[in-house]
Amino acid sequence: DAGITQSPRHKVTETGTPVTLRCHQTENHRYMYWYRQDPGHGLRLIHYSYGVKDTDKGEVSDGYSVSRSKTEDFLLTLESATSSQTSVYFCAIRGQGSYGYTFGSGTRLTVV
Amino acid sequence: AQSVSQHNHHVILSEAASLELGCNYSYGGTVNLFWYVQYPGQHLQLLLKYFSGDPLVKGIKGFEAEFIKSKFSFNLRKPSVQWSDTAEYFCAVNADTGTASKLTFGTGTRLQVTL
Repeated sequence: DAGITQSPRHKVTETGTPVTLRCHQTENHRYMYWYRQDPGHGLRLIHYSYGVKDTDKGEVSDGYSVSRSKTEDFLLTLESATSSQTSVYFCAIRGQGSYGYTFGSGTRLTVV
Repeated sequence: AQSVSQHNHHVILSEAASLELGCNYSYGGTVNLFWYVQYPGQHLQLLLKYFSGDPLVKGIKGFEAEFIKSKFSFNLRKPSVQWSDTAEYFCAVNADTGTASKLTFGTGTRLQVTL
């Protein structure tokens, strides 16, 4: 969607390597979220941010870390990728005082 | 913590058939409810949302949903499905918890519409 981009769109990486996914927004929204989507599980929240340098864990945060050093970028890092982290990762943004979420196009990550 | 249940995992309908997808949520406070659709290979798109007011909400592409507070339900309906409605549908609840409100999703319902 306009205003939110994810990179890369696709990535294949080896087990044990670190991986960083980027979510970039041009909406100046306060809130940013990382979800993973897996068959049979829907979308599950990994981490979220409620401001620059303010982040918190979601329901499936083990093995992931995040950083937000500026409003527009929210980075998701897999510290040491495992095959169980093969998934599609979606970023979402939300403005303060709004309950409208906008989702990015997703990053398909394969860990071999 | 809030949770969302979608009881239909895979639904197959013929074109022109009526659709109803179930969604039940668990949360004790004020909720905002959403239905999203994901067409094959694409990202999530908002179908409709309920914040307050009329419990019958209308969305895009002829979809509607009814919020029944006493049943903690927010079922999605469409009177006559089209082949192009083939997609995965997700119900979600937004709740304010701690530092920010967050969306919690159901596991999704895969709809297949046959010609």
